[in-house]
This record gives sequence, C-alpha cells and structure tokens, in this order.
Amino acid sequence: GESVGLHLPTLSVQEGDNSIINCAYSNSASDYFIWYKQESGKGPQFIIDIRSNMDKRQGQRVTVLLNKTVKHLSLQIAATQPGDSAVYFCAETPNAGNMLTFGGGTRLMVKP
Amino acid sequence: DTAVSQTPKYLVTQMGNDKSIKCEQNLGHDTMYWYKQDSKKFLKIMFSYNNKELIINETVPNRFSPKSPDKAHLNLHINSLELGDSAVYFCASSQERTGYTFGSGTRLTVV
Repeated sequence: GESVGLHLPTLSVQEGDNSIINCAYSNSASDYFIWYKQESGKGPQFIIDIRSNMDKRQGQRVTVLLNKTVKHLSLQIAATQPGDSAVYFCAETPNAGNMLTFGGGTRLMVKP
Repeated sequence: DTAVSQTPKYLVTQMGNDKSIKCEQNLGHDTMYWYKQDSKKFLKIMFSYNNKELIINETVPNRFSPKSPDKAHLNLHINSLELGDSAVYFCASSQERTGYTFGSGTRLTVV
C-alpha cells in the first residue's frame, strides 16, 4: 500500500546551526501535510502544516517545503536550539480532518 | 485544561486480561482516533470515528474495539491481551480546517 516513507535516522546538529529533516511520500492523492515534534514521554505536537496547493510555508523558525513533483516534504529549523531535540514526524492525509498516515520519524539531537 | 486527555498514563497487565483506555477531548472536534506507536516509534492508525462512521484499519485485531459513549469520548477496549500489544497508544481528535490534537499517550505493558 502507499505510505509516507521515512525511516528513523538520527540527525545531529550543533546548537545555532540550521536543521533540515526530509520526508518522502508515495500517495499522490495526499492533499494535506503536517510536521509533528514528539518529545520523550509526550504525544506528537503540531509544528507546521501545508496544503498541496502551496510549495512553501513559514512559521516561527520553521519552514516546510513541499515538492509535489517528486513527492518530497522537508522541515527546516533555523538556529536550532537544545529544546528542539526530539523525534520529528511527517504525516499526510488526502483530506484535512481524516486519518493521518505517519512517516517513520527522525531523531534530532542538538549538541550544545 | 488539557485538550485531549487519556487515562491511565501507564498500564501494566498480564497476558489474557481485558483492559480499557479512556480518552476525552474538550475541543468540540467531530472526529477522534486511536494510534499505536511501537518500540521503533512508528505511529500507525488504528481507528477513526465520528458520529457517523467508524473506520477500522484492517490490520487491527478484532480484540481491539473502540467505544464512544458521546462525541467527546472514544475509549479503547482490548480483550485477551497479548505480549505484542505492548506499545504506547495515542488518542487524537480533529476537525477539518483546525487540525489534529494528540493526547499524551498510554504506555501499555503486557507481561
């Protein structure tokens, strides 16, 4: 079946550097994408979302890029801080409000 | 106020037992979900439920059943627990155009 693909690698960055986390998806019907942050012992927390009619969306220190041609999604975190250390997931759904399909997650480790 | 609350936070039980996990949301969302997160952190949908429709992931054993007494609650009942059911279970709710909110999870350990 189609799925959002992202194994669980670890990305280690120095505090203050920019981080880029990538995600590939395979469902061409995906219309709505979300990035989540999950800290140890907590549930996924919403970071930023984007709809398929956009290529880029910016939040506070975060930017999501969507490339529908190659079915690729990325999360950029500017000036990464120790508090950004967590597991990050991309998720997608054909319709906002419906079930989410999650990728496998990336662990971000920020070195002080 | 916690938007999506689950109880208990931790649950340790023996194989073969029947247990329930409760979930409540105070966001007025129409749809609620249960997700399972395994030891490798992979999150997988189990159920999606609103007042009109229950959608079940076909890979979920029928020992698992959602029960919704009202729009704000979606409880998860598990019969005849097995070792492989050990995981963290997350409840979530959503409303179109306002996004999804997750609970803090219930860590189930079957011994």
